[in-house]
Amino acid sequence: QSALTQPASVSGSPGQSITISCTGTNSDIGNHNHVSWYQQHPGEAPKALVYEVSERPSGVSIRFSGSKSGNTASLTISGLQTEDEADYYCCSYGGIYSFWVFGGGTKVTVL
Amino acid sequence: EVQLVESGGDLVQPGESLRLSCAASGFMFSDYPMNWVRQAPGKGLEWVSHISTDGGIYYADSVKGRFTISRDDAKDSLYLQMNSLRDEDTAIYYCARDINWVFNAWGQGTLVTVSS
Repeated sequence: QSALTQPASVSGSPGQSITISCTGTNSDIGNHNHVSWYQQHPGEAPKALVYEVSERPSGVSIRFSGSKSGNTASLTISGLQTEDEADYYCCSYGGIYSFWVFGGGTKVTVL
Repeated sequence: EVQLVESGGDLVQPGESLRLSCAASGFMFSDYPMNWVRQAPGKGLEWVSHISTDGGIYYADSVKGRFTISRDDAKDSLYLQMNSLRDEDTAIYYCARDINWVFNAWGQGTLVTVSS
C-alpha cells in the first residue's frame, strides 16, 4: 500500500493557475476513476474538492478542477486566492487489497 | 446538518489498547459506508479502515491484525478497537463517511498518543 506521489510544495501568485500532480500505478489511479482531492487548512478536518477524477461536490468553487491521464491525476486551481493556501491531498481507490490510498500531500503557498 | 463526532482518544503506553467512537447525526447512518483515516503529527493523511453497509471490512496493512472496525446502526455509531498500540499509531483519528467514492463528511478528529 504505497502512497501516491505528490510534489511537496507548489506556489503561485494571486490570480494565477497552479496544477498539483498525483502519480500512482496501474493498480490504483491507472485502473479506476475513483480519484478524489481534499483541501486541509491547519487545525481543520479535510474537505472534499473533487471526486471521480473531475466531479465537484455541491458548493465547491469551479476554480477547482480535476483530470487524469494514465497513472497520473491532477488538480488545477484557477484564479489563485489567498484562502487557497492549504495542504492538498489526492486519494485513489486501490482495489480490494489496498482499498484507499492517499498521496503524501502538497502544501500550496500563495505568494 | 451532517455531524460526525469522534471520542476516545487518549495518552496510552505502547502495547496498550484503546477504543475510539464516532457518533453520527443528521443523516441515515445505516445507508453509508464509513472509514477511519488518521494523520500523524505534521504528516499526511493515511486511510486506516473501511466498513460497508453490509459489513464488508477492509484494513490498511499497517493496522491489520491489531485494529478492529465495527458499527452499530441502531446507535448511529462507528467504532475502532485498537490493540497492541505502537508509537507510530500516534495520530489524529478522523471518522469519515464515503459515498460515490469520496469522503464527503469528516469529524473533527480525536488525538491518540502512544508513548512510554
